[in-house]
Amino acid sequence: EAQVTQNPRYLITVTGKKLTVTCSQNMNHEYMSWYRQDPGLGLRQIYYSMNVEVTDKGDVPEGYKVSRKEKRNFPLILESPSPNQTSLYFCASLPLSNTGELFFGEGSRLTVL
Amino acid sequence: AQSVTQLDSQVPVFEEAPVELRCNYSSSVSVYLFWYVQYPNQGLQLLLKYLSGSTLVKGINGFEAEFNKSQTSFHLRKPSVHISDTAEYFCAVRDGGNAGKSTFGDGTTLTVKP
Repeated sequence: EAQVTQNPRYLITVTGKKLTVTCSQNMNHEYMSWYRQDPGLGLRQIYYSMNVEVTDKGDVPEGYKVSRKEKRNFPLILESPSPNQTSLYFCASLPLSNTGELFFGEGSRLTVL
Repeated sequence: AQSVTQLDSQVPVFEEAPVELRCNYSSSVSVYLFWYVQYPNQGLQLLLKYLSGSTLVKGINGFEAEFNKSQTSFHLRKPSVHISDTAEYFCAVRDGGNAGKSTFGDGTTLTVKP
């Protein structure tokens, strides 16, 4: 089954404790992206990647890092989480060969205390 | 930079009534337009999309949308809603010249009441 898989789905952590949210897709998509969803603000793009070793900042990159060492994986790294990073995070992918829609993971709800 | 405005943050409606969720975007030479739906505690899934061709686009679950280039709008409609349509709906735009950039609206919460 074609899918985007995120882990963990739920996480409660404390300020300053480094964490990684993994994202993996099995559709051989070149493009992958991270979004955060906050009430009343819709989805805001954090980082995106057009292919392996190619990443770029989205609209709200501060406090986040990403890497794209393999085509299927695009982890989101919070080196020193803060309470304002409490949010619902979505990973998405897209094949660049067509102009279709984004495929989303089920989301990761992160709470930083 | 592209921007998307969903004109209503919340839309309450009674079951079997028609509904329209409004979306406007900033102008661009070419754009691809999408409506996504998010049911409670789930991820986003595609409702419908406009890439080119006919300006009236039909999607899943009886929804349709009309692309209006002169008004830079892409409003979503359904002639008769069900309780199960209660969800959050997002309008999104991707610039035809930049495959990496999708911009989302703030979302519209549709609540269907019995």
